[in-house]
Amino acid sequence: QSALTQPPSASGSPGQSVTISCTGTSSDVGGYYYVSWYQQHPGKAPKLMIYEVNKRPSGVPDRFSGSMSGNTASLTVSGLQAEDEADFYCSSSAGSSVVFGGGTKLTVL
Amino acid sequence: EVQLLESGGGLVQPGGSLRLSCAASGFTFSNYAMSWVRQAPGKGLEWVSVINAGGENTYYADSVKGRFTISRDNSKNSLYLQLNSLRAEDTALYYCAKDLGVVVPIDAFDIWGQGTMVTVSS
Repeated sequence: QSALTQPPSASGSPGQSVTISCTGTSSDVGGYYYVSWYQQHPGKAPKLMIYEVNKRPSGVPDRFSGSMSGNTASLTVSGLQAEDEADFYCSSSAGSSVVFGGGTKLTVL
Repeated sequence: EVQLLESGGGLVQPGGSLRLSCAASGFTFSNYAMSWVRQAPGKGLEWVSVINAGGENTYYADSVKGRFTISRDNSKNSLYLQLNSLRAEDTALYYCAKDLGVVVPIDAFDIWGQGTMVTVSS
């Protein structure tokens, strides 16, 4: 149950795109199609942004997209907006458990 | 309105116990797996435990296995987490979270509570 690897920080200017990676192993990310992404603003509960690698829950803007290649999943935020500034966490099924990434702080410059 | 409301957190000495509760409303509770996820102050998210929709199957993170017990009462739309043998490293905000998948979990949490704080300190 080792944490997934995310870059600690990412940044971009308004209107730009930014991609956050999430690297695991064949026992988690690469072994299942159950990768999710969460956005967390300070003092708030996490919000589901992407599930099953690339599906968006109702209400999540299509500026948020997910993908996966091998043992690495990615979240892309296009057309960055000021309100996108937050912590982002990936998670993956790992069989009988769930593992989260360490989190990435996204800064909108 | 779909809602989860945790309670039961507090200050406890090392080695002590607590029971957390999570009251669900606005959805058919008995159709969904439920998890507990915690977040230590200033740190990231850590999955703690999951229970399936019917309550028959439970799983735990290695860090809490043998000390924590998850349970649910579908007649009361409630989820619980019994925390025993608490350690300083268990200090965290504990969230209950609903799985998005109907009956069959997909390990994606679409509804979260506001969290209940557990502090383990002498």
